[in-house]
Amino acid sequence: AQKVTQAQTEISVVEKEDVTLDCVYETRDTTYYLFWYKQPPSGELVFLIRRNSFDEQNEISGRYSWNFQKSTSSFNFTITASQVVDSAVYFCALSEAGGTSYGKLTFGQGTILTVHP
Amino acid sequence: IAGITQAPTSQILAAGRRMTLRCTQDMRHNAMYWYRQDLGLGLRLIHYSNTAGTTGKGEVPDGYSVSRANTDDFPLTLASAVPSQTSVYFCASSEVPYNEQFFGPGTRLTVL
Repeated sequence: AQKVTQAQTEISVVEKEDVTLDCVYETRDTTYYLFWYKQPPSGELVFLIRRNSFDEQNEISGRYSWNFQKSTSSFNFTITASQVVDSAVYFCALSEAGGTSYGKLTFGQGTILTVHP
Repeated sequence: IAGITQAPTSQILAAGRRMTLRCTQDMRHNAMYWYRQDLGLGLRLIHYSNTAGTTGKGEVPDGYSVSRANTDDFPLTLASAVPSQTSVYFCASSEVPYNEQFFGPGTRLTVL
């Protein structure tokens, strides 16, 4: 069965600090997809990134970067020079490509990030 | 383009009552999903549909049913609501099952 663990329940930083949100996953599939979603205080879920299990290249998008390491089953998310608008709950999620879990997203518990001015 | 709409936005319901949460998407996505979000538990999949005419059970399906008569609509029914079904419910869709999912605004349901 697939599982996602976000060990950090809450993180508090001061603006301009860098912050890394950890995500560790478990799966028996060799083909799978990893996601990060953001849930700001308004409540909607915003898609941030999708990676497949065959692409271990790190990705950078503005102040956001993602580090995917299959060897440690981790898909960590770093925000550089954090801003107050980054305050949100961040979810890591996993979807297996085959078997009975095909396409179903399993979410981690979420990390509440608070960025103070 | 609305994306995904959910109705109602919020609802207070007496235990034992039947309730249908509505979800409509205009992106012609094949797959649709229902999740519930509870504090400390993240989002958990209730039911899903990989294509119109088919449905499947997720992680927490008990007490819920769904139907997928066409591509756009995916209603979630609580046959006899119980207080443990108090939650925020999110509908989502994706073009194909393993692509990114797009979420609706959510329905906040309180069962008393």
